[in-house]
Amino acid sequence: AQSVAQPEDQVNVAEGNPLTVKCTYSVSGNPYLFWYVQYPNRGLQFLLKYITGDNLVKGSYGFEAEFNKSQTSFHLKKPSALVSDSALYFCAVRVRGNNRLAFGKGNQVVVIP
Amino acid sequence: EAGVAQSPRYKIIEKRQSVAFWCNPISGHATLYWYQQILGQGPKLLIQFQNNGVVDDSQLPKDRFSAERLKGVDSTLKIQPAKLEDSAVYLCASSLDLGEPREQYFGPGTRLTVT
Repeated sequence: AQSVAQPEDQVNVAEGNPLTVKCTYSVSGNPYLFWYVQYPNRGLQFLLKYITGDNLVKGSYGFEAEFNKSQTSFHLKKPSALVSDSALYFCAVRVRGNNRLAFGKGNQVVVIP
Repeated sequence: EAGVAQSPRYKIIEKRQSVAFWCNPISGHATLYWYQQILGQGPKLLIQFQNNGVVDDSQLPKDRFSAERLKGVDSTLKIQPAKLEDSAVYLCASSLDLGEPREQYFGPGTRLTVT
């Protein structure tokens, strides 16, 4: 069974500082990895995904994530956080050949002006 | 491009009552998903359709939950009878097809409160 761990409940960062949201995964097989963001009273929005190839993936709104197979991690990063980045971030994993997407519990990101 | 539509946005019912949620996916999307998101948790897949066929319903509590997608477009999710622990946000998502690795597009959700 596949699973995702997002160890921190909340991440606080000052505006303009680098933002990192951590994610580790557990699968038997090769993973597809995703990041989604959820703003209040809105559905989840796709940010980026890792399929294969380059370990550094670039996505929407200046976000990027780095796939690290040895550490089974897929941390989300942004070089300079904006107040508008304050939201709930979900990491998700899917195993090739299995259509089910398993989500982590989410991380609340608070960007302080 | 219109997004995934869901209705109603909010619903309050008493336990043992029934409730139904409706979802209209993005036009042309063959795959449709229903998720349950309990407060403080990530979404959990309830059922997945490919056109009008069920691909995965292994996590659907079939004694009280049912879903259909009769014409391969709109879908309804029903709970009968509801329990207190069914209080959650029910999310509908769609993707172009089952081909890997398609991202899913989510609707705004229906927030259900069971009292």
